[in-house]
Amino acid sequence: SAVISQKPSRDICQRGTSLTIQCQVDSQVTMMFWYRQQPGQSLTLIATANQGSEATYESGFVIDKFPISRPNLTFSTLTVSNMSPEDSSIYLCSVDRASGNNEQFFGPGTRLTVL
Amino acid sequence: AQSVSQHNHHVILSEAASLELGCNYSYGGTVNLFWYVQYPGQHLQLLLKYFSGDPLVKGIKGFEAEFIKSKFSFNLRKPSVQWSDTAEYFCAVNARETGGFKTIFGAGTRLFVKA
Repeated sequence: SAVISQKPSRDICQRGTSLTIQCQVDSQVTMMFWYRQQPGQSLTLIATANQGSEATYESGFVIDKFPISRPNLTFSTLTVSNMSPEDSSIYLCSVDRASGNNEQFFGPGTRLTVL
Repeated sequence: AQSVSQHNHHVILSEAASLELGCNYSYGGTVNLFWYVQYPGQHLQLLLKYFSGDPLVKGIKGFEAEFIKSKFSFNLRKPSVQWSDTAEYFCAVNARETGGFKTIFGAGTRLFVKA
């Protein structure tokens, strides 16, 4: 399994500001994923972040709103830009250990509330 | 594009009752299938997975799931639930799409087990 930590664990932010969420993994991984889990809903994939290349965004998510960095094989950041109350959600980092079976491991999540 | 549907959003059972949670997916190619569980206040955890071979897979805590290819289904079962099984259960499908493998989650089923 992989040990994944996220910072911050929770935050309350004002409308119009930005928040950067950090994800640290205890070992090198090829693929890292960012998900959003809005209240009472399932996980929605925001983007896939591979080291050394641009993140790949899912339909409905754009780089200007959710810029992602992936500077090395153990770390990634997701920024939620120009926040609005609709961005209130849990943001989850996930990794695929590339063991051939695409099993994903999840971080504890960052609970974001936008006022 | 792949999609996952879970039939029940909320299930309430008494202890010792049998459980079956439905999951259907739409994707024409080879898939990897997962059930994840999220206990209150905890991370998502893998319950069980199917990649190939015996379509009846056994996971942790007495859970099992059966892959029926002709029905595009991967239903989760447990013969006798316990109060500690109260959690949210997510079915997930991993398959190759443009840009690489992606995991898509169902909407989740909240299970409440009455003691």
